[in-house]
Amino acid sequence: QVQLVQSGSELKKPGASVKVSCKASGYTFTSYAMNWVRQAPGQGLEWMGWINTNTGNPTYAQGFTGRFVFSLDTSVSTAYLQISSLKAEDTVVYYCAREGDAYSHFDYWGQGTLVTVSS
Amino acid sequence: SSELTQDPAVSVALGQTVRITCQGDSLRSYYANWYQQKPGQAPILVIYGKNNRPSGIPDRFSGSSSGNTASLTITGAQAEDEADYYCNSRDSSGNHQVFGGGTKLTVL
Repeated sequence: QVQLVQSGSELKKPGASVKVSCKASGYTFTSYAMNWVRQAPGQGLEWMGWINTNTGNPTYAQGFTGRFVFSLDTSVSTAYLQISSLKAEDTVVYYCAREGDAYSHFDYWGQGTLVTVSS
Repeated sequence: SSELTQDPAVSVALGQTVRITCQGDSLRSYYANWYQQKPGQAPILVIYGKNNRPSGIPDRFSGSSSGNTASLTITGAQAEDEADYYCNSRDSSGNHQVFGGGTKLTVL
């Protein structure tokens, strides 16, 4: 069965960096795009962008360029989200989500990773 | 700013039918997908494309679309359907995706 398993919660200081992982299993990793979505406490879902798991080419939503980097390690079927120069407002839950065929829907989601930025 | 607009909150009596709507110009070109999210959990896909349900989603969930409005209908709402519901689609450019602001469904 398809599973996306994300790395555990992180507590970071302002200005630090964090790398969240999303390990896929149960399907051919390079056959489906991987998206990243974030959710601030008590707020809605916000699409951050996606990465082509075939080519490694990332696409970032507006507002997620510069400090945010999507990457892959296809040898271990894992996608990564790295955030640098962390700010307090980066304290959110980050989800990876597989993009299904045809309708660009997110058919499988990771369990979410809470990143807390606090001094 | 979100290009998809949802009502913040909707309520329904147990066993009744409720429609949750999502409006946006991009919906004239792209289907909406719908997700259910319960507190402390990741979202799950409930409807995608024209009106497709993933395996395991009850058939009381259905989707429809007209013009710039997509709808998620729950026919015979159950207590376990109480959750936040989000629509998503491609944006008007087709290059990016966008979520609606979400609708909190209360089952009375």
